[in-house]
Amino acid sequence: EIVLTQSPGTLSLSPGERATLSCRASESVSSSYLVWYQQKPGQAPRLLIHGASSRATGIPDRFSGSGSGTDFTLTISRLEPEDLAVYYCQQYASSPWTFGQGTKVEIK
Amino acid sequence: QVQLVQSGAEVKKPGASVKVSCKASGYTFSGYYIHWVRQAPGQGLEWMGRINPNSGGTNYAQNFQGWVTMTRDTSISTAYMEVSGLKSDDTVVYYCAREAYTGIYFDSWGQGTLVTVSS
Repeated sequence: EIVLTQSPGTLSLSPGERATLSCRASESVSSSYLVWYQQKPGQAPRLLIHGASSRATGIPDRFSGSGSGTDFTLTISRLEPEDLAVYYCQQYASSPWTFGQGTKVEIK
Repeated sequence: QVQLVQSGAEVKKPGASVKVSCKASGYTFSGYYIHWVRQAPGQGLEWMGRINPNSGGTNYAQNFQGWVTMTRDTSISTAYMEVSGLKSDDTVVYYCAREAYTGIYFDSWGQGTLVTVSS
């Protein structure tokens, strides 16, 4: 199975700063079949990005995704207090569909 | 709008079974796979399997084969996930999620069902 490793484990930044989250795959994720989810405390995950770089419906443009092959990035251009959450990547190139362990974004 | 509403929290004893429901609304239930994802407290997400509501066909992750069963009732647009032989480390939140039209990722999620296993 494809193992996804996210880094850093925790990111602590101030409002307005740029957040860069990494997701590295143990083997190439074909056709950029990678998504990002946001999970706020006590809530279900929410789809942010699909196809590595396409924003889901209703997602603000401060969220962007990039990457291909084994290295993918989620960028939050200007952090807002409501971005406090854990962010997960997930690959859908091959079964079993696997998730990274998550990156927690804290707001200073 | 698309909604997935899950059944409420459960407390079970070790060795028992639990059946969680997921009622869909706002779209054609038979047209989209329903997946189940597990999350232990403070931990990450783990894919368990999926069901095709149209055919009833299922695919399970290897870790869950033999002790998880996914079913559906199309007459009430509801999917079910039953876990048998619960252990104390099975205290988790179960989520149902709808598979997106354009790939095997999840564009809508239920609110989650906490199952606590305690003697």
